[in-house]
Amino acid sequence: AQTVTQSQPEMSVQEAETVTLSCTYDTSESDYYLFWYKQPPSRQMILVIRQEAYKQQNATENRFSVNFQKAAKSFSLKISDSQLGDAAMYFCLWGGGSQGNLIFGKGTKLSVKP
Amino acid sequence: DAGITQSPRHKVTETGTPVTLRCHQTENHRYMYWYRQDPGHGLRLIHYSYGVKDTDKGEVSDGYSVSRSKTEDFLLTLESATSSQTSVYFCATRGTRTNEQFFGPGTRLTVL
Repeated sequence: AQTVTQSQPEMSVQEAETVTLSCTYDTSESDYYLFWYKQPPSRQMILVIRQEAYKQQNATENRFSVNFQKAAKSFSLKISDSQLGDAAMYFCLWGGGSQGNLIFGKGTKLSVKP
Repeated sequence: DAGITQSPRHKVTETGTPVTLRCHQTENHRYMYWYRQDPGHGLRLIHYSYGVKDTDKGEVSDGYSVSRSKTEDFLLTLESATSSQTSVYFCATRGTRTNEQFFGPGTRLTVL
């Protein structure tokens, strides 16, 4: 069975600094995709970044980038120049398999200090 | 946004009563999902659907049933609500091209 582990229940970063959130997963599938979602206090789930497993290049979206290490089954999220609006829960999501299985990590609560 | 709505957005009910939550999408996505979110557990999959009348169980399906009679609607039913089903429920669809998950706004259900 697939599992997704976010080992940091809570993280804190100073405004304008850089923070990295970790995510590891366990799977025997060769074709899958990975996502980071942000959930602010409004509860809305917002896609931050996506990565297809077959792509070796790490995905980047503005201040957000990932470090995708397929062999190590690691998918960390780096947030550069942190802003107060980045404070939220962040969830790592693994998706794949013949029936489109989807497994979420338990989340990391990010606080941004002014 | 994929145009996903959920109704009701908030509901308070009593133990033992039936409850139905509705998810409606306007994107013609094939896959639809119901999750529940609880503190310390993240989002857990209850049921999902891969087409009209095609559904399957997720990680925490006990006490829940689903139906999908039309592509755009996915219903989640609690036949006899219990206090342990107090939670926030999210509906989601999966994009065809990118496999991205699109989420509804969530329904907060309280079972007294």
